[in-house]
Amino acid sequence: GQNIDQPTEMTATEGAIVQINCTYQTSGFNGLFWYQQHAGEAPTFLSYNVLDGLEEKGRFSSFLSRSKGYSYLLLKELQMKDSASYLCAVRDISNYQLIWGAGTKLIIKP
Amino acid sequence: DAGVIQSPRHEVTEMGQEVTLRCKPISGHDYLFWYRQTMMRGLELLIYFNNNVPIDDSGMPEDRFSAKMPNASFSTLKIQPSEPRDSAVYFCASSLGGPLGGGALETQYFGPGTRLLVL
Repeated sequence: GQNIDQPTEMTATEGAIVQINCTYQTSGFNGLFWYQQHAGEAPTFLSYNVLDGLEEKGRFSSFLSRSKGYSYLLLKELQMKDSASYLCAVRDISNYQLIWGAGTKLIIKP
Repeated sequence: DAGVIQSPRHEVTEMGQEVTLRCKPISGHDYLFWYRQTMMRGLELLIYFNNNVPIDDSGMPEDRFSAKMPNASFSTLKIQPSEPRDSAVYFCASSLGGPLGGGALETQYFGPGTRLLVL
């Protein structure tokens, strides 16, 4: 079957580092996306991983382990504007579907 | 580029009325997606088009929902008749390429959404 698990909510402090995990089970795998969604707004693309390892983009990094069905999004030097939901989505190559996680709501406190 | 454009941004209607949502994808994008997002069910794919042709409509809830893409720059999602359970945010997204394209081609860009409330 197809399944994506993310924590429902996380809290972190401004200036700190937070890691948001995503585990997935799919029949086939051909890439994993991370999106950011501020309350009341549309999802916006953050990162894409298809090979194992770490992809870094400024304060944000995304890691993938295909053998473990696991990814994480690492946010450094947290800012208040990083308060948002973070959605993990996996491309299942067996049916070409993009499977979306329920999202992790990240709350940043001063 | 202006990004994906959706209208209206908000819609309040009464049960039984017809609702039409509109979308203009990013120019040059060959794929267009319609999603629905609710707190209970998260983000759900309703239907997607490739080069104006519907490819997968398995997510369309029932016959009350229909979608069209008459040309590369315009799509509609229609609900007739609408019901309170249809209340949600409806997003349109577009991408350059499809499921096997890889990162840059597959990346979907979302419009601002239409907030639909059916009373």
